[in-house]
Amino acid sequence: AQKVTQAQTEISVVEKEDVTLDCVYETRDTTYYLFWYKQPPSGELVFLIRRNSFDEQNEISGRYSWNFQKSTSSFNFTITASQVVDSAVYFCALSEFGDMRFGAGTRLTVKP
Amino acid sequence: SQTIHQWPATLVQPVGSPLSLECTVEGTSNPNLYWYRQAAGRGLQLLFYSVGIGQISSEVPQNLSASRPQDRQFILSSKKLLLSDSGFYLCAWSGSMNTEAFFGQGTRLTVV
Repeated sequence: AQKVTQAQTEISVVEKEDVTLDCVYETRDTTYYLFWYKQPPSGELVFLIRRNSFDEQNEISGRYSWNFQKSTSSFNFTITASQVVDSAVYFCALSEFGDMRFGAGTRLTVKP
Repeated sequence: SQTIHQWPATLVQPVGSPLSLECTVEGTSNPNLYWYRQAAGRGLQLLFYSVGIGQISSEVPQNLSASRPQDRQFILSSKKLLLSDSGFYLCAWSGSMNTEAFFGQGTRLTVV
């Protein structure tokens, strides 16, 4: 079965620092999809990005960027110039056949 | 637009009592439906997912069950709750296999 590892349990940064959240995955399939979600204190999960296994192009969206590297089975997420509102738990997820499985999450705290 | 409704938002139940959590989706047809559980400070555990009416895949053998009596209705049930069933339960839907999932507001269940 597929597996997602987010080794960083908690990260604390000061506002305006850049921060990278790591995600490493395991799968035996050649076709799969990777996701990042944000869970603010309210508890609701917010979708951030989806990537399929055939598209290794990195993506930037405002202060967010994602680095997908199949060679290292990683899909890392970087927040540039972090803000207090970025404080949340961030989850990486992997889907092979529609069964989306999540990592344990990384709690990011951005201090003013 | 599509919306997902999950209720109740909070629930306190005694050990041994039954459980029924309901989730409905509006604005789409034949969605993939998911139930996840998030224990305090932990990641999301996939409990059940369904690709169609009456089709339920169970991920974790336990005293919970799921049913999909209608296309856009997903129900999580238990005949007898255990203390270990406490957690944050999230329902989600996706348009097809391997597309992003959208989550409900969640139900915080406390078994006492």
